[in-house]
Amino acid sequence: KQEVTQIPAALSVPEGENLVLNCSFTDSAIYNLQWFRQDPGKGLTSLLLIQSSQREQTSGRLNASLDKSSGRSTLYIAASQPGDSATYLCAVRDTGRRALTFGSGTRLQVQP
Amino acid sequence: EPEVTQTPSHQVTQMGQEVILRCVPISNHLYFYWYRQILGQKVEFLVSFYNNEISEKSEIFDDQFSVERPDGSNFTLKIRSTKLEDSAMYFCASTLLAAEETQYFGPGTRLLVL
Repeated sequence: KQEVTQIPAALSVPEGENLVLNCSFTDSAIYNLQWFRQDPGKGLTSLLLIQSSQREQTSGRLNASLDKSSGRSTLYIAASQPGDSATYLCAVRDTGRRALTFGSGTRLQVQP
Repeated sequence: EPEVTQTPSHQVTQMGQEVILRCVPISNHLYFYWYRQILGQKVEFLVSFYNNEISEKSEIFDDQFSVERPDGSNFTLKIRSTKLEDSAMYFCASTLLAAEETQYFGPGTRLLVL
């Protein structure tokens, strides 16, 4: 059964710092991996999707990488801003399935 | 930009009552999903739906749950006899095609069972 782990659980950084959020998964037979942002009490906003054949995806200040063989993904946020404060969730879709398996998230606080 | 919408945003019900949660997926999307998030826990998959059939479901999605696409726009989740442990945020999601894999989520319905 796929298990997704995210480290750290919480992170507090001053504005302007570059930061890395980590995601690991136990079964490397994935179809894709998706990073989401969740604001308190709100829905999930899709940030980036990486197909299993890809190594990275970029959107603005966000860059996500995928090392499928080692079961790891990272989300790099450049020049963090207070508006980036949220919980970031990693989710994997296994080959042959439609369901996403989520990690428990990293709660990010960017201090002005 | 098109988005998934859900109603109601909040619902309070008594244990044993039936509830129906409603979702309007993005208009040209073909795959639909329900997930739930119990407070403080991970988001969990419940069910996926395509071509008027359940395509996949989790062990959580037992006989008390059902899904329906009653018309061309709505997608519903029914819980027949709610339990205290059904209290959670319920999210609807949709994707365009099998090749378009990004799942777009709605804002959620917060269900409280008393």
